[in-house]
Amino acid sequence: DSGVTQTPKHLITATGQRVTLRCSPRSGDLSVYWYQQSLDQGLQFLIQYYNGEERAKGNILERFSAQQFPDLHSELNLSSLELGDSALYFCASSVRERTEAFFGQGTRLTVV
Amino acid sequence: GDSVTQMEGPVTLSEEAFLTINCTYTATGYPSLFWYVQYPGEGLQLLLKATKADDKGSNKGFEATYRKETTSFHLEKGSVQVSDSAVYFCALLSGGYQKVTFGIGTKLQVIP
Repeated sequence: DSGVTQTPKHLITATGQRVTLRCSPRSGDLSVYWYQQSLDQGLQFLIQYYNGEERAKGNILERFSAQQFPDLHSELNLSSLELGDSALYFCASSVRERTEAFFGQGTRLTVV
Repeated sequence: GDSVTQMEGPVTLSEEAFLTINCTYTATGYPSLFWYVQYPGEGLQLLLKATKADDKGSNKGFEATYRKETTSFHLEKGSVQVSDSAVYFCALLSGGYQKVTFGIGTKLQVIP
């Protein structure tokens, strides 16, 4: 158990809908990262927050947004969902910048 | 930008065979290097790491040496087991703000 908690574990929704994925980092970790893992794109970095502030942005679509709250948990919002958004979404956390990240179990999103 | 190149799989080996998974990287500065492992249906777990040139990371019989001159971090294990079947990701961490860049992942299948 990495100590990073993601909910829900599975999510099935229809095209055009909006969903929110939640991540609770390990106790004491200030950095949170979101990744998307799909069969054809591999593991793609989406976005990183550090202590509530956005630090780095990767291949995140404009339909997606994220935030990190004062209690350090993070949410990833996916809107106007398309079939191609079906993937595993991972959250990871680290105690500070430039240290290794620990991953949650992921949320499997299926868009039908 | 930063990048990680990993040998494509799948790699199929017999139990007790020697394993090498190649990984090379491109990065500015002095990155930290990691190998993560993803078992079926699970999130990524940190397998080993090296933070400076000539460091050797090791864990569970796996090892990798940070070679700055060849910008490589190849993963090796002397005798693989069926339980090692998983996807292995090479990754690097660099930059002022933490952004972990992953390779595409190499699927390893070990047969009895």
